[in-house]
Amino acid sequence: GNSVTQMEGPVTLSEEAFLTINCTYTATGYPSLFWYVQYPGEGLQLLLKATKADDKGSNKGFEATYRKETTSFHLEKGSVQVSDSAVYFCALSDRGDFGNEKLTFGTGTRLTIIP
Amino acid sequence: GAGVSQSPRYKVAKRGQDVALRCDPISGHVSLFWYQQALGQGPEFLTYFQNEAQLDKSGLPSDRFFAERPEGSVSTLKIQRTQQEDSAVYLCASSLMVGSHQPQHFGDGTRLSIL
Repeated sequence: GNSVTQMEGPVTLSEEAFLTINCTYTATGYPSLFWYVQYPGEGLQLLLKATKADDKGSNKGFEATYRKETTSFHLEKGSVQVSDSAVYFCALSDRGDFGNEKLTFGTGTRLTIIP
Repeated sequence: GAGVSQSPRYKVAKRGQDVALRCDPISGHVSLFWYQQALGQGPEFLTYFQNEAQLDKSGLPSDRFFAERPEGSVSTLKIQRTQQEDSAVYLCASSLMVGSHQPQHFGDGTRLSIL
């Protein structure tokens, strides 16, 4: 079956530091890959996505590249801000047996940025 | 707003009681998903609807869990004879189309606590 493994947290960084959160996946088909973010007290929000190999998703200074050869989708940001403090989830969607594209999530990585 | 709406936000019930959780998806969205998120974990798939048809219920943990979407819009997740292990956040998500790797839009969830 499908699975997502992401870097365990919590991760604490100083403002303006470089961020990497690792994510690898196992899938039987050709999945789409996503990063979702959950800010304190809020619901899950899509951060970025990539739908095929070598695609790069980007949003709000975050980037992730779909690497089929290493089955990875690592999240990066060059200079983090306090407002980036949140829980980040890596996820994949693959056509299920019934045609639905249910998401399989990693366990989440809690990121805290200190001023 | 035009987002996914879930109610109630919080629900406390005694063990053995029945509960019903409501989801109003984004208008016009064909696909609707329910997920269960245990504390400190990523969401896990429960069930999927395409319009009013429940096409995949493979993630429902037991026959105490039941979901419906009778008119292809609002959905209700019902849990009968609740047990403490049912305590979790229940998330609803909707997406516009089927089969196009569309992102899912999440509600804020219902936090269910079973005493």
